[in-house]
Amino acid sequence: GNSVTQMEGPVTLSEEAFLTINCTYTATGYPSLFWYVQYPGEGLQLLLKATKADDKGSNKGFEATYRKETTSFHLEKGSVQVSDSAVYFCALSDRGRGADGLTFGKGTHLIIQP
Amino acid sequence: NAGVMQNPRHLVRRRGQEARLRCSPMKGHSHVYWYRQLPEEGLKFMVYLQKENIIDESGMPKERFSAEFPKEGPSILRIQQVVRGDSAAYFCASSPAAEYTDTQYFGPGTRLTVL
Repeated sequence: GNSVTQMEGPVTLSEEAFLTINCTYTATGYPSLFWYVQYPGEGLQLLLKATKADDKGSNKGFEATYRKETTSFHLEKGSVQVSDSAVYFCALSDRGRGADGLTFGKGTHLIIQP
Repeated sequence: NAGVMQNPRHLVRRRGQEARLRCSPMKGHSHVYWYRQLPEEGLKFMVYLQKENIIDESGMPKERFSAEFPKEGPSILRIQQVVRGDSAAYFCASSPAAEYTDTQYFGPGTRLTVL
């Protein structure tokens, strides 16, 4: 079956530091890949997505590249801000194989200190 | 354009009671998905519905849980005879069509607490 593995948290960084959150996946088909962000007490917001190999998703300074050869979709940001503190979820959609729900990783809690 | 709406935002039930969670998809969206988030866990897919049809309920517990998406009105996730283990955040998402790369848009969630 499909699965998503992302690095355990919490990840604590200082403001303006470089961020990487690792995400790897297992899927039988050719999934679409997503990063969602969840702020305290709120629902999930789509941060970025990529639909095929070598695609790069980007939004609000965050980037992730769909790497089929390493089955990875690592999230990066060059300079984090306190407002980036949240939980980040990597997810995949494998509808080409008849799966209709997103498969999520467990989430990575990011804490940015001023 | 209003986003996905869920109500109530918080729901407290005693063991053995029924919980009804409502979800109104984004305007123009005809596909609804329900997910459950247990504490310190990621979201787990429960069920996928289109208007008046359950398409995939592979993630739904076999007993006590049911879902519907009628022709008119919101989608309902119903939990009968709740137990403490049902305490979780329940999220609804919607999408405009079941295309391969369609994005799902999430509501704010309903946080269910079973006493």
